[in-house]
Amino acid sequence: KQEVTQIPAALSVPEGENLVLNCSFTDSAIYNLQWFRQDPGKGLTSLLLIQSSQREQTSGRLNASLDKSSGRSTLYIAASQPGDSATYLCAVSSTGANSKLTFGKGITLSVRP
Amino acid sequence: ETGVTQSPTHLIKTRGQQVTLRCSSQSGHNTVSWYQQALGQGPQFIFQYYREEENGRGNFPPRFSGLQFPNYSSELNVNALELDDSALYLCASSFGFNEKLFFGSGTQLSVL
Repeated sequence: KQEVTQIPAALSVPEGENLVLNCSFTDSAIYNLQWFRQDPGKGLTSLLLIQSSQREQTSGRLNASLDKSSGRSTLYIAASQPGDSATYLCAVSSTGANSKLTFGKGITLSVRP
Repeated sequence: ETGVTQSPTHLIKTRGQQVTLRCSSQSGHNTVSWYQQALGQGPQFIFQYYREEENGRGNFPPRFSGLQFPNYSSELNVNALELDDSALYLCASSFGFNEKLFFGSGTQLSVL
């Protein structure tokens, strides 16, 4: 059974800091890995999707890496801003007949002005 | 191009009642997935529909049922509501499975 872990549960940083959010998963037989952002009481916004054959993806100030063999992914946020404050969730899609995503519990990020 | 829309946004029900949640998929998408997100938890997979057929189900009891229509919109029905069913219900669409999912804003269900 796939399990996804995100530690710590919460993080507070000053504005401008570069930061790394970690995600680990137990079964390396994944199809892809996605990072999502969720604002309080809202739906999920996909930030980056990494296919199992890829090592990293970049979008603006965000960079996500994937090490499938060790079951780890990181989301790097450069020059953090107060608007980056949200919960960041990592999810893996296992190989199989559907795109069921297994999510971690998320990391709640607060960027202090 | 319209995104994924869900209705209603909020709903309050009493234990034992039945509820229907609705989802309109993004234009061109033929796959809809439903997730339940309890407070402080990550979303949990309920089931997926592909071209009007159920294509995978998570660890949810049969009182959670669904439907996908020819226009690929979808419904989630929950019978005999329990207090633990209180959660944010998220719908996501994609073009085929194992493709990038686009989520709606969710329906917040409270069961009293």
